[in-house]
Amino acid sequence: QTVVTQEPSFSVSPGGTVTLTCGLTSGSVSSSYHPSWYQQTPGQAPRTLIYNINIRSSGVPDRFSGSILGNKAALTITGAQAVDESDYYCLLHMGSGIWVFGGGTKLTVL
Amino acid sequence: EVQLVESGGGLVQPGGSLRLSCAASGFTLSNYWMTWVRQAPGKGLEWVASVKQDGGQTYYVDSVRGRFSISRDNAMNSLYLQMNSLRAEDTAVYHCARWNGCVGSYCYLDYWGQGTLVTVSS
Repeated sequence: QTVVTQEPSFSVSPGGTVTLTCGLTSGSVSSSYHPSWYQQTPGQAPRTLIYNINIRSSGVPDRFSGSILGNKAALTITGAQAVDESDYYCLLHMGSGIWVFGGGTKLTVL
Repeated sequence: EVQLVESGGGLVQPGGSLRLSCAASGFTLSNYWMTWVRQAPGKGLEWVASVKQDGGQTYYVDSVRGRFSISRDNAMNSLYLQMNSLRAEDTAVYHCARWNGCVGSYCYLDYWGQGTLVTVSS
């Protein structure tokens, strides 16, 4: 069974750049997986950041960007701010109506 | 303003049943696929089930297939999740969410409810 992989944790300095990735234990992520990214702070509902690989959802700052890097989907934060300290999840369509979230990345800004 | 408000969570014994509801407002429910996503305490997000606009197609994660049933009443602007044979591992906050797109080149969750907590314990 294919698993969606994310880095469990990442740390970035304020003003720095960080790239989080979303991969598969078997195969490569492409547009056919409809990759999207979500941000969640404790106790809150998730917030949509990026869809269709690199389209920002309404109201999302342009310091967030999405791409395909190698065989993975990627979320890059350029000029990280303290407010960006959150959990980040990717979501992929595995076919036949089945969707799978990655395990999430806990981002620390310090 | 799009709003999704879940209700129906609570404490239930293993093997019991519970029905969650999601009240939708600010948009025409019948135009959108809808879904349930859950999050166990201290864990990540897990997609649970999705239902097509007319309720004619449903999909489930393997761990709930045969025990959970997703449905909708577009006239009542409501989404439901009937949960039977509940297990301790079903303990989670359950969010309803709206799919955007899903007929062309993109598909993603654009609006989420705050969630309702389901606790399965004796």
